[in-house]
Amino acid sequence: QVQLQESGPGLVKPSETLSLTCTVSGGSISGYYWSWIRQPPGKGLEWIAFIYYSGSTNYNPSLKSRVTISLDTSENQFSLRLTSVTAADTAVYYCARHRCTGGSCYLGLFDSWGQGTLVTVSS
Amino acid sequence: QSVLTQPPSVSGAPGQRVTISCTGSSSNIGAGYDVHWYQQLPGSAPKLLIYDNNNRPSGVPDRFSGSKSGTSASLAITGLQAEDEAEYYCQSYDSSPSPHVVFGGGTKLTVL
Repeated sequence: QVQLQESGPGLVKPSETLSLTCTVSGGSISGYYWSWIRQPPGKGLEWIAFIYYSGSTNYNPSLKSRVTISLDTSENQFSLRLTSVTAADTAVYYCARHRCTGGSCYLGLFDSWGQGTLVTVSS
Repeated sequence: QSVLTQPPSVSGAPGQRVTISCTGSSSNIGAGYDVHWYQQLPGSAPKLLIYDNNNRPSGVPDRFSGSKSGTSASLAITGLQAEDEAEYYCQSYDSSPSPHVVFGGGTKLTVL
């Protein structure tokens, strides 16, 4: 069974860049779409971006100017960079795998999630 | 403010039936995009509950069901149990201004 684990700094200063990595174990990163999703404390879920194992990407229009998603197939990892952060970017950040069945994958359906990592933006 | 609108909270007694609505628009649910539902227990990551409007992944009890009509969708839970107390999120796809994933604001289910 695939497992996802987020890692990265838990505290980032305002105006700096948030960087997170998701390590995939128990399965290959190849053949799937992978997403970052966040959840501010006490609030709902917000999708950030996805990347296909081939490298194609899609971003939330509201965050697109500040976000980069990338992957490293050799390390079975994918990453998130969010620039110019503010307190509004404080959230639990989840990485997730898109559901694939019968050789086709959903662009927006997540069947495996990491446990999430809290990132606080504060000076 | 979420693109998909859910009631902030619903409640029901054990054994009862509750429904959670998810209202969208012509650029998401009304455009034909499927709706999926997730259950999030306190302190945990979301878990896929219903996909493609009315399908349950393996292991999800048949007490959970989904439906979709027009620009809205609903999640129904019958035979309510204490363990169902959680936050529930609907999710779909939106074509405006460019195709992207959207979530509802979440609904807190309280089992009385």
